[in-house]
Amino acid sequence: QQQVKQSPQSLIVQKGGISIINCAYENTAFDYFPWYQQFPGKGPALLIAIRPDVSEKKEGRFTISFNKSAKQFSLHIMDSQPGDSATYFCAASISRAAGNKLTFGGGTRVLVKP
Amino acid sequence: EAGVTQFPSHSVIEKGQTVTLRCDPISGHDNLYWYRRVMGKEIKFLLHFVKESKQDESGMPNNRFLAERTGGTYSTLKVQPAELEDSGVYFCASSQDWDSAAFFGQGTRLTVV
Repeated sequence: QQQVKQSPQSLIVQKGGISIINCAYENTAFDYFPWYQQFPGKGPALLIAIRPDVSEKKEGRFTISFNKSAKQFSLHIMDSQPGDSATYFCAASISRAAGNKLTFGGGTRVLVKP
Repeated sequence: EAGVTQFPSHSVIEKGQTVTLRCDPISGHDNLYWYRRVMGKEIKFLLHFVKESKQDESGMPNNRFLAERTGGTYSTLKVQPAELEDSGVYFCASSQDWDSAAFFGQGTRLTVV
């Protein structure tokens, strides 16, 4: 049973467009929701993270939106650039107990066309 | 500062053989994690070390997998004997504190044939 479901599996967007990736979780004990970016041949790198006490967090062109009642969160990449082409993973954890025992979504491969 | 380093980058072994993966965490990071991504699936937690002690090994798939962390520094993950379904990418991550951000290594791609 997959506790964090991520969609879509792949995404193609034109340069300058908006990339949107969605995740849904089941475990209401989750209280830390990071997003990781992975380039080919590299490990996942923390991109941005949110806790459920806020509904939105923005860092540069990357924004997380969080809907606690719907148990959903999403990543928006504004003004997408070819350098953003990578695989993105959402994740969740129970930070009070084990902050880095992460439950990952299945990943979204994003391709930004120039 | 060096990041998390994993050896080897790739390993191809035959079913029934033994393979040992190594992870060197960031210096000073007491917390070390192993994760695995099997083809087409999500990245899954395997276990968590705090220094040399296993804090949580709930994700280890079976007793063919043995993880150690000698002296609280580097860690090894041994698979013996390897099966076809063990193929995937094995990631190691480390963090300074149990609730601070974890940094991932580049992974070891294991192929069992």
